[in-house]
Amino acid sequence: SQQGEEDPQALSIQEGENATMNCSYKTSINNLQWYRQNSGRGLVHLILIRSNEREKHSGRLRVTLDTSKKSSSLLITASRAADTASYFCGGNGGSNYKLTFGKGTLLTVNP
Amino acid sequence: DGGITQSPKYLFRKEGQNVTLSCEQNLNHDAMYWYRQDPGQGLRLIYYSQIVNDFQKGDIAEGYSVSREKKESFPLTVTSAQKNPTAFYLCASGGLAGDTQYFGPGTRLTVL
Repeated sequence: SQQGEEDPQALSIQEGENATMNCSYKTSINNLQWYRQNSGRGLVHLILIRSNEREKHSGRLRVTLDTSKKSSSLLITASRAADTASYFCGGNGGSNYKLTFGKGTLLTVNP
Repeated sequence: DGGITQSPKYLFRKEGQNVTLSCEQNLNHDAMYWYRQDPGQGLRLIYYSQIVNDFQKGDIAEGYSVSREKKESFPLTVTSAQKNPTAFYLCASGGLAGDTQYFGPGTRLTVL
């Protein structure tokens, strides 16, 4: 079973616009992490939000977490063409170290 | 440079052969992980190791084997028992429980 499910599966926007991606998960989590993957490359960690946090910022990124709805969102403001990538959320839900990822959102930012 | 490396970048295997993918990290992380990614899909956990000489099966361990003889190294062997091994393999390492995972650049395995 997948702990993270991203929505939408694909998103296409113009440079300068904001992009919002959502993530839902099934079971309780200790933290939720967002990663970016450029085509054919490894994942790059973007931000980690703990279960007792509601919002976190990092540069142009804003992540929210609603544990009552078991959902998180990633907002990228003032998007750039270089933001074009797949974005994954991963939930860490237990005493072990495992992250369970969703299928990702493919973001395309058109110049 | 600190980081996590994987080799080779591309690997071709004939059916019936075992192949080993290398993963090395110099981040002094206790935990290491192997994931498989199929086109347009997310990551699925194959094996993970929390400490040296110990490892646990992930969600899709059948047809794979690992070892963790050194803290820095976590090689993955794709055996002939893995029926559909063509995929992109990603190795990661991490520190404290549930902490950020750092990923290598990946190995793309193709079965000919």
